[in-house]
Amino acid sequence: NAGVTQTPKFRVLKTGQSMTLLCAQDMNHEYMYWYRQDPGMGLRLIHYSVGEGTTAKGEVPDGYNVSRLKKQNFLLGLESAAPSQTSVYFCASRSLAGDVGELFFGEGSRLTVL
Amino acid sequence: AQSVTQLGSHVSVSEGALVLLRCNYSSSVPPYLFWYVQYPNQGLQLLLKYTTGATLVKGINGFEAEFKKSETSFHLTKPSAHMSDAAEYFCAVRTNSGYSTLTFGKGTMLLVSP
Repeated sequence: NAGVTQTPKFRVLKTGQSMTLLCAQDMNHEYMYWYRQDPGMGLRLIHYSVGEGTTAKGEVPDGYNVSRLKKQNFLLGLESAAPSQTSVYFCASRSLAGDVGELFFGEGSRLTVL
Repeated sequence: AQSVTQLGSHVSVSEGALVLLRCNYSSSVPPYLFWYVQYPNQGLQLLLKYTTGATLVKGINGFEAEFKKSETSFHLTKPSAHMSDAAEYFCAVRTNSGYSTLTFGKGTMLLVSP
């Protein structure tokens, strides 16, 4: 049972390069999220999606774009990477059904921008 | 708006001692409250959650937390620490609106010494 899978797990970029992080979930969840985790800052929401074809900005959206063309996938893009985007990125998903909707997390993608 | 404050970025206990991790929240409407745990190089896992009803909630691995509305607190406790409890712990809050997103505290690293 894969759950939430993130690729790649590690990546090193030079300033100005672009890349895409892929998140895939096999639980048929409606909601998907991208967070970044930085030391002493906790997790901060970048963008999220409440369904296929819809996205919304979170707390720290600048410098990132997202797409949700398929229900099971949520892509996070960096068009022109900056050193300030060095971070660990986590994808999460949750179901619309149920009482509260627990978030299920991937194992993270560690990005370094030189 | 909602927010979470975790008191103490690091907490050190001896094995067998009481664990107490503090969390205070701010929410304009009745909140849903969560504790997540993150082991090194892994994603976050749900420890326990409060939605409605009983204010003392029990989670996995012997942890429990009590929702105190008058104190706007949701502190996490465990009677006897194990070495395996060493991890980072995050308190999180969201409202009961369907589209509400989860807001995390900055985390507390629990260190357990022999």
